[in-house]
Amino acid sequence: DSGVTQTPKHLITATGQRVTLRCSPRSGDLSVYWYQQSLDQGLQFLIQYYNGEERAKGNILERFSAQQFPDLHSELNLSSLELGDSALYFCASSSQPGLAAFEQYFGPGTRLTVT
Amino acid sequence: AQSVTQLGSHVSVSEGALVLLRCNYSSSVPPYLFWYVQYPNQGLQLLLKYTSAATLVKGINGFEAEFKKSETSFHLTKPSAHMSDAAEYFCAVSGDNNNDMRFGAGTRLTVKP
Repeated sequence: DSGVTQTPKHLITATGQRVTLRCSPRSGDLSVYWYQQSLDQGLQFLIQYYNGEERAKGNILERFSAQQFPDLHSELNLSSLELGDSALYFCASSSQPGLAAFEQYFGPGTRLTVT
Repeated sequence: AQSVTQLGSHVSVSEGALVLLRCNYSSSVPPYLFWYVQYPNQGLQLLLKYTSAATLVKGINGFEAEFKKSETSFHLTKPSAHMSDAAEYFCAVSGDNNNDMRFGAGTRLTVKP
């Protein structure tokens, strides 16, 4: 158990809909990272927040947005969903602001299925 | 821009045999390199990382990797495979600008008894 929690575990929704994925980092970690893992695209870094502020941006679509709240939990919002958005979405946390140099602890993921 | 290429989407070894998972990187800046492992239905776990210190990096579970700049490689090895090593392994690269991380396509390791 990494200490990172993600809800829900599974999500099934229809095209065009909007969903919110939630992540709670490990106690004391200030950084939250979001990743997407799909068969087509593999594992992709989406976005990082550190202490409430956006820190780094990867291959995140404009239909997707994220935020980190004062209690440090984070939400990833996916809108106008398409079939291709079906994937496993991981959240990770770290105690440091950098993307690369420090260990990230991954949550178990949210499996999103768009029908 | 950075990228990694993992050679071999599937590697199969016998228990007790050498494990070698290949990773080549491309980076316009000095890279940070990582190996992650993903067990079925779980998130990723960091095995080891290279951050410009020693070129031979030792990680958890008996794995190690060697950074070879001349070959732009960061191959993962373990002298003796164990059944519990069966998993998917991902190589990743990040640059000194620290604002992106790119993963390889992954290599699925199967360990035969």
